[in-house]
Amino acid sequence: AQKITQTQPGMFVQEKEAVTLDCTYDTSDPSYGLFWYKQPSSGEMIFLIYQGSYDQQNATEGRYSLNFQKARKSANLVISASQLGDSAMYFCAMREGGDYKLSFGAGTTVTVRA
Amino acid sequence: EAGVVQSPRYKIIEKKQPVAFWCNPISGHNTLYWYRQNLGQGPELLIRYENEEAVDDSQLPKDRFSAERLKGVDSTLKIQPAELGDSAVYLCASSFVGVSYEQYFGPGTRLTVT
Repeated sequence: AQKITQTQPGMFVQEKEAVTLDCTYDTSDPSYGLFWYKQPSSGEMIFLIYQGSYDQQNATEGRYSLNFQKARKSANLVISASQLGDSAMYFCAMREGGDYKLSFGAGTTVTVRA
Repeated sequence: EAGVVQSPRYKIIEKKQPVAFWCNPISGHNTLYWYRQNLGQGPELLIRYENEEAVDDSQLPKDRFSAERLKGVDSTLKIQPAELGDSAVYLCASSFVGVSYEQYFGPGTRLTVT
């Protein structure tokens, strides 16, 4: 079974607007962590934000925030005030228990329009 | 601080030929990962090292793939012989297990097998 599901293959957003990228996950382990990575055309995976399953508050990092809904098993990424440089592929990933292995979703391509 | 370094960035070989990829992790990181990313998909873990020890190589096709991490620093991933289906981007990542779950990725090696 897929551990991470990203249902939006591609999205367009206007510059300066906010965009939400969906991510649902599947695990039976009570301890887990959720990550979002950005992959521009250059290929490097860039860490954006992390949410632990026991964290009480939603994670935020600058213009990135993670909308963590534990009961729904969703961890959506919100990018506020989109910039042209945000155009990239975005991946949601999860680690389970004490394992450091990451399971990735298929990714969502974001294109920011001027 | 220097990031994860990988070489070469691109490699084109004919099927049945051998190929090797090299990775230098971030200084001080004790854990190193090799991922394979097929076109349009998220990365999948091939092998994880903690220092010199391969602690998770369950997804490594051992009939043709091999890896080593001598002295617990640099690592080499080898394919011999390469097959058409091995065409992918090979990503190396490193982390400091025990301090953070965050993995830092290199730019990857794009392999094309013809």
